[in-house]
Amino acid sequence: EVQLVESGGGLVQPGGSLRLSCAASGFTFSSDSMNWVRQAPGKGLEWVSYISGSSSIKLYADSVKGRFAISRDNAKNSLFLQMNSLRAEDTATYYCAKDVCSSTTCYGTHWGQGTLVTVSS
Amino acid sequence: DIQMTQSPSSLSATVGDRVTITCRASQNINTYLNWYQQKPGKAPKLLIYVTSNLQSGVPSRFSGSGSGTDFSLTINSLQPEDFATYYCQQSYSTPPTFGQGTKVEVK
Repeated sequence: EVQLVESGGGLVQPGGSLRLSCAASGFTFSSDSMNWVRQAPGKGLEWVSYISGSSSIKLYADSVKGRFAISRDNAKNSLFLQMNSLRAEDTATYYCAKDVCSSTTCYGTHWGQGTLVTVSS
Repeated sequence: DIQMTQSPSSLSATVGDRVTITCRASQNINTYLNWYQQKPGKAPKLLIYVTSNLQSGVPSRFSGSGSGTDFSLTINSLQPEDFATYYCQQSYSTPPTFGQGTKVEVK
């Protein structure tokens, strides 16, 4: 059974940093691309970042480009999101999501339970 | 970025109803449209991928259709566990973008 468990969220001051983790199990982690998707309180879903299985491709939403960095450790079945220069508008529940990809598209088949990041002084 | 617009934003329905949610893309996305269900305090759950393919384990009362810019999700015979918020998402281009959501509430 696929399991994704996020951790690392919490309260941080504006301008601060936080590192989120996502522990994966139940599938061949290194074979699958992964994403971070966030949801501000009471709002909709916003894609944040993507990383390919080999880490050769990393993509970011414009809203986080230059501040956030996605990475993975395939030996430890773990996904990370390093968040720097945090702003109030980064306050959200952050989900990691596992992709399934065909030759033409990818979509998130499994999601973790999320970890809440609150940016406030 | 491709904008995704869902309608309605919310709807009230009764168990047994047939419910249809529409999703419009700001440009042609072929059939690269996915649907997610989210219940309060829970993670989104994939229902349908690439317009009309039912994710494993999803009841057959859910169906999707469309192509190009106009898509729909239909729930035949709404069940109590279907009251939730539904999101469409395009996976045609980066960044993948979501609709604003449609909340299906009890009438």
